[in-house]
Amino acid sequence: GQQLNQSPQSMFIQEGEDVSMNCTSSSIFNTWLWYKQEPGEGPVLLIALYKAGELTSNGRLTAQFGITRKDSFLNISASIPSDVGIYFCAGLNFGNEKLTFGTGTRLTIIP
Amino acid sequence: DTGVSQDPRHKITKRGQNVTFRCDPISEHNRLYWYRQTLGQGPEFLTYFQNEAQLEKSRLLSDRFSAERPKGSFSTLEIQRTEQGDSAMYLCASSLGTGFNGYTFGSGTRLTVV
Repeated sequence: GQQLNQSPQSMFIQEGEDVSMNCTSSSIFNTWLWYKQEPGEGPVLLIALYKAGELTSNGRLTAQFGITRKDSFLNISASIPSDVGIYFCAGLNFGNEKLTFGTGTRLTIIP
Repeated sequence: DTGVSQDPRHKITKRGQNVTFRCDPISEHNRLYWYRQTLGQGPEFLTYFQNEAQLEKSRLLSDRFSAERPKGSFSTLEIQRTEQGDSAMYLCASSLGTGFNGYTFGSGTRLTVV
């Protein structure tokens, strides 16, 4: 099935650094969602975006819905050890209940 | 309510055996979804229910797979004649109404076919 392209695939950063990742699609979505998944667990919703150009924050996380509706970005400021995990974007369209997920960005924090 | 519950958490089975997984959604949620996630990939949609009605099935759901939600509450996913390619994490999620607020996922059932 289709998967959205996320970059980078993995990131190795030091605690306190800021993180940026993005997600691109060949098709338009009405809603963009960002999830975090930790080992052995299901994805947990971080941020939902509903309007092109929208910028939404959740604590140290900020996400943007691209104006073309084909991309989205997630930034994490001042990273901490508990930010470690895999971050997935997902797109959703009206009238279609299935989420299309990205390939994931694995975040590792170097001590 | 403790969220979406899946059972078992892990299952190891021999090729050719049948397996069944259970999902208990958040109690007031009327929509229930099944996804499959293979190593290094994002989850992929399999099927979803609104109450007891199965409304959509992915082409990933071969005829060896069947899902039910008999009373509109818990759901089961059965895989018959398992193959090594069925090894994956099977995730269940639920939502109240549409999924536009992002549905709540369970912790998944990890299936290993040997």
